[in-house]
Amino acid sequence: EAQVTQNPRYLITVTGKKLTVTCSQNMNHEYMSWYRQDPGLGLRQIYYSMNVEVTDKGDVPEGYKVSRKEKRNFPLILESPSPNQTSLYFCASSLIGSGTDEQFFGPGTRLTVL
Amino acid sequence: AQSVTQPDIHITVSEGASLELRCNYSYGATPYLFWYVQSPGQGLQLLLKYFSGDTLVQGIKGFEAEFKRSQSSFNLRKPSVHWSDAAEYFCAVGELLSGTYKYIFGTGTRLKVLA
Repeated sequence: EAQVTQNPRYLITVTGKKLTVTCSQNMNHEYMSWYRQDPGLGLRQIYYSMNVEVTDKGDVPEGYKVSRKEKRNFPLILESPSPNQTSLYFCASSLIGSGTDEQFFGPGTRLTVL
Repeated sequence: AQSVTQPDIHITVSEGASLELRCNYSYGATPYLFWYVQSPGQGLQLLLKYFSGDTLVQGIKGFEAEFKRSQSSFNLRKPSVHWSDAAEYFCAVGELLSGTYKYIFGTGTRLKVLA
């Protein structure tokens, strides 16, 4: 089944404790992206990747890192999480990121930083 | 920067009634436009998209949307709403920026359906 998977689905952590949220897609998509969803703000793009070893900042990249060492994986790293990073996070992928592509979304990761 | 506006935060309709969700965008060229639906606890699913051709676009689950360049709008419609349509709906635009595409989302409209 074609899908985007994220782990964990739920995470409660404390300020400053490094964490990684994994994202994997099995559709051989070139474009992958991370979003955060906050009430009243919709989805805001954190980082995106056009292909392996090609990443770029989205609209809200501060406090986040990403890497794209393999085509299928695009982990989101929070080196020192803070409470303002409490949010619902979505990973998405699309075929080539041409703007006409449908994005396929993972189920989301709800992160709480205490 | 380009933007997408969904002016209605919440909409409530009765089951069987018609539905229209509004979306306005600001973009100089012909935009790539999308509507996604997010059911409770789920990720987003594409309902329909427009990037050229016929301005009335049909999507899944009986939804349609009409692109109106003169009004910079891409409103989503459904003639008869079902209880299972209760969800949050997001309008999005694909934007070419510095040689790569970004996707900009509106803030969403939460639909409630009354039995």
